[in-house]
Amino acid sequence: TQLLEQSPQFLSIQEGENLTVYCNSSSVFSSLQWYRQEPGEGPVLLVTVVTGGEVKKLKRLTFQFGDARKDSSLHITAAQPGDTGLYLCAGAGGDYKLSFGAGTTVTVRA
Amino acid sequence: NAGVTQTPKFQVLKTGQSMTLQCAQDMNHNSMYWYRQDPGMGLRLIYYSASEGTTDKGEVPNGYNVSRLNKREFSLRLESAAPSQTSVYFCASSDRGRQPQHFGDGTRLSIL
Repeated sequence: TQLLEQSPQFLSIQEGENLTVYCNSSSVFSSLQWYRQEPGEGPVLLVTVVTGGEVKKLKRLTFQFGDARKDSSLHITAAQPGDTGLYLCAGAGGDYKLSFGAGTTVTVRA
Repeated sequence: NAGVTQTPKFQVLKTGQSMTLQCAQDMNHNSMYWYRQDPGMGLRLIYYSASEGTTDKGEVPNGYNVSRLNKREFSLRLESAAPSQTSVYFCASSDRGRQPQHFGDGTRLSIL
């Protein structure tokens, strides 16, 4: 059983469309991290959100951390083929470990 | 600037064989981790080392052992490989627990 549930599992959209990926849990996290993974490579950190209600923007990517620090979302505006990849959320609890969601595979068609 | 280096990148084993996966980081990080990634299951923690000299079990430790050789190196050993251990294995490091983790490019392991 995943501590963090991501939805949807797969997402295929046309270039220029918007998309949102969700990451939900019944547990409270001290921080939440989003990673992107491309085929044949390891995950690479996109952002860390720490404060409940926090919103961070990274160019066309907007990340939100829920007020109760149990959920997060990633919104991509005007998606491009370069945004294609596996998006993973990971929650940090009270120890040295991260709990990862199963990931959302995003495909942006040209 | 290599970051986290994993060797080998690919390996095929027969059931019952043993194997050690190597991981080294050059960022002077304190914590190191071993994960396996299977389709639809995300990253599952096998073992981690919060600091040099310590190791702890993660979510799926059965069938694996680890050694934190020094601050830079953290190896994962399969003593008697089983087909269920076919997976992509990732090593990661971080400065301290809960800090962002830096990943290697993975070892793709097939056990026949």
